[in-house]
Amino acid sequence: KQEVTQIPAALSVPEGENLVLNCSFTDSAIYNLQWFRQDPGKGLTSLLLIQSSQREQTSGRLNASLDKSSGRSTLYIAASQPGDSATYLCAVVYSGGGADGLTFGKGTHLIIQP
Amino acid sequence: EPEVTQTPSHQVTQMGQEVILRCVPISNHLYFYWYRQILGQKVEFLVSFYNNEISEKSEIFDDQFSVERPDGSNFTLKIRSTKLEDSAMYFCASSVQGLDGYTFGSGTRLTVV
Repeated sequence: KQEVTQIPAALSVPEGENLVLNCSFTDSAIYNLQWFRQDPGKGLTSLLLIQSSQREQTSGRLNASLDKSSGRSTLYIAASQPGDSATYLCAVVYSGGGADGLTFGKGTHLIIQP
Repeated sequence: EPEVTQTPSHQVTQMGQEVILRCVPISNHLYFYWYRQILGQKVEFLVSFYNNEISEKSEIFDDQFSVERPDGSNFTLKIRSTKLEDSAMYFCASSVQGLDGYTFGSGTRLTVV
């Protein structure tokens, strides 16, 4: 069974710090990996999508990397702001057959202290 | 910016009742999905739908669940006889070409009492 794990489960840092969120997946046969943001009681907002052939993607203060062979991805947030407070979810689409849906991690609950 | 719209935002139903959750995907998207998130747990894939039929479903999506695209714009999830454990946030998503570029709705919180 494919598993996606995110570490840490929760993180609280002062405003302005750079931080790294980690994601690991058990099967390297992925089609792509996505990072989402979830605000309390809200839907999921796609942040970055990395195809299996790519190593990283950047959007503003966010940078996501992918190391498919080791089954890892990181989301780097530069110069964190209180508005970045949310739960960050990592999800993969496996290319090895079966469901074409996303397999999610449990998320990292991030709090940026003003 | 185009949105996926879900209604209602919150529904309370009695155990054993049928519920229908509604979604309006983005108009030029061809792939449609339902996910659920039980409180405090992971978001879980339920079903994907393309070309008016189910393309994939998870083991969660048993005979109590069904999906339909009745009129070319709405995409519905029906739970025939709700159980307490069906209480969750249900998310609809759509994408243009499948496998990536998903847009999620804000979810319907289903509470079974």
